[in-house]
Amino acid sequence: EPEVTQTPSHQVTQMGQEVILRCVPISNHLYFYWYRQILGQKVEFLVSFYNNEISEKSEIFDDQFSVERPDGSNFTLKIRSTKLEDSAMYFCASLNGTSKETQYFGPGTRLLVL
Amino acid sequence: LAKTTQPISMDSYEGQEVNITCSHNNIATNDYITWYQQFPSQGPRFIIQGYKTKVTNEVASLFIPADRKSSTLSLPRVSLSDTAVYYCLVVWNTGFQKLVFGTGTRLLVSP
Repeated sequence: EPEVTQTPSHQVTQMGQEVILRCVPISNHLYFYWYRQILGQKVEFLVSFYNNEISEKSEIFDDQFSVERPDGSNFTLKIRSTKLEDSAMYFCASLNGTSKETQYFGPGTRLLVL
Repeated sequence: LAKTTQPISMDSYEGQEVNITCSHNNIATNDYITWYQQFPSQGPRFIIQGYKTKVTNEVASLFIPADRKSSTLSLPRVSLSDTAVYYCLVVWNTGFQKLVFGTGTRLLVSP
């Protein structure tokens, strides 16, 4: 069964550093998403991406965040200058979009900002 | 987006059937009801989705009454590995809009 993959599984960084989280969505999917989950809290939507542009973003997704689909397979989330409060699990999801479907999530990247 | 309400937690024992009810009073005509499961430190995993009446797959059944203002996820004969958080979501049409997760129902299955 095809699945969404994410790398790295864990990332530790210093406050102020840039991090790039990588995702490989399911190959025939057209819609891509990033969500995050702070420890013990809800899964929160960050951004959706379709046709090489952002289709929706939340208040969390400020100027420090950016997304990119640099090639036909990867989907990345960049945090330019990490803050302590960016520590969370970050989940990528993808959706086929050509029929009634649901979003499929990756295993997540645990980001710890020190 | 329709708001959902579900119990914060439930306890069960191995082998029992578990029914988790979710209310979504302001569900719209084009909304579907979708359930996800999440284990600690893992991504949410799709379980089942339905529009009305009953849907069954190899994992669960979903019961939706005619008014669609609530739904019940039924897990037959749970095992310890079903201990997880279960989220009820209302998803518009083809599902490409953002998913809005609530706090979910934390199910604990004991021996």
